[in-house]
Amino acid sequence: KAGVTQTPRYLIKTRGQQVTLSCSPISGHRSVSWYQQTPGQGLQFLFEYFSETQRNKGNFPGRFSGRQFSNSRSEMNVSTLELGDSALYLCASSFPGQGRRFGNTEAFFGQGTRLTVV
Amino acid sequence: AQRVTQPEKLLSVFKGAPVELKCNYSYSGSPELFWYVQYSRQRLQLLLRHISRESIKGFTADLNKGETSFHLKKPFAQEEDSAMYYCALSGGSGNTGKLIFGQGTTLQVKP
Repeated sequence: KAGVTQTPRYLIKTRGQQVTLSCSPISGHRSVSWYQQTPGQGLQFLFEYFSETQRNKGNFPGRFSGRQFSNSRSEMNVSTLELGDSALYLCASSFPGQGRRFGNTEAFFGQGTRLTVV
Repeated sequence: AQRVTQPEKLLSVFKGAPVELKCNYSYSGSPELFWYVQYSRQRLQLLLRHISRESIKGFTADLNKGETSFHLKKPFAQEEDSAMYYCALSGGSGNTGKLIFGQGTTLQVKP
């Protein structure tokens, strides 16, 4: 089974530009979550998509947006890039459990996209 | 507010010594707790979860609701345990992909 795939692996963008990151989940997984990882703030939840709908959202400005396609692939977009957006962006996919009794199933992470804003 | 605290940035022990990585959480409800591990040049992966009550690679963690803690323990550390460890919390409502992570603790096991 192929793991979670994120593309591209590395990106360098200029302040003010926009960027789109892509995530292909494990086959059969319908939930895709995005995280920002920085040395200062650690791992912070951005948003989660399930069946093409945003199900959860973290505390990030509206410049950060995402979407999910019918094949569960997800994209994340950041507009008007700022220097502080430089980070490792991680995507995770999971197959939702069958209710509270089974809890949340394991989240499988991609290797991340390293975004550098100059 | 939902929060996970890992008080130690770095924990350094000798091979064979016991290990305890601390994790405290703040959540008004019944959360699910996890430990994730990231070995050098590898992706973040699940180590264990409180709901499973299992031991993985010799590690165990018990959820203490009274102390709101979920410390990770191993009686005898091995060099291959050297990695970054993250404690994480999920809302516990089931079927949610939102994880709240602690800042992480680097475990260094010296020979």
